[in-house]
Amino acid sequence: DAKTTQPTSMDCAEGRAANLPCNHSTISGNEYVYWYRQIHSQGPQYIIHGLKNNETNEMASLIITEDRKSSTLILPHATLRDTAVYYCIVMGGGSNYKLTFGKGTLLTVNP
Amino acid sequence: DAGITQSPRHKVTETGTPVTLRCHQTENHRYMYWYRQDPGHGLRLIHYSYGVKDTDKGEVSDGYSVSRSKTEDFLLTLESATSSQTSVYFCAISVAANTEAFFGQGTRLTVV
Repeated sequence: DAKTTQPTSMDCAEGRAANLPCNHSTISGNEYVYWYRQIHSQGPQYIIHGLKNNETNEMASLIITEDRKSSTLILPHATLRDTAVYYCIVMGGGSNYKLTFGKGTLLTVNP
Repeated sequence: DAGITQSPRHKVTETGTPVTLRCHQTENHRYMYWYRQDPGHGLRLIHYSYGVKDTDKGEVSDGYSVSRSKTEDFLLTLESATSSQTSVYFCAISVAANTEAFFGQGTRLTVV
């Protein structure tokens, strides 16, 4: 299974863009990159996913490098409610269809 | 929000007693999952189901069993609860194996 590496924690000022990096150097060709977040005590929330093209939805943008070995989740205008643990997960293809969570990045948005 | 209901939301039980947690969905999703979350370990998959009566083990399945007799319900049973099973349990659903999953609000279980 492809593994991911994320920083343990990051800070961001309210109103600024939050850029959360993720390394997944062993990703295989048919595996997707998924992002979830978990606000304290709540269930994880799906944010976005992509294969190789950049993706954008109402919550965030996902930038995947051309070699697909890393990606960045962008929250364009972070708010205090975006303070959460963000998980980058590689999944899909073959038998790797189980959503496996790592430690994630604790993003703290400061006023 | 996806139609997922976990019950009970909180439970305190004694060591050695059986406990059943219920996950109910109204989305008609094929896949259902049970996770537990503990400090220092993050979310870990216990069991999952890929259809009615079709289930398989996750990474921490010892001490747990599951059943899925109909699409909408996925039950997690602790046959004889132990203190090490004190945790927050999350249910999740997804349409297919490699699509986004939607999580319930969790069940906080305390085994004393």
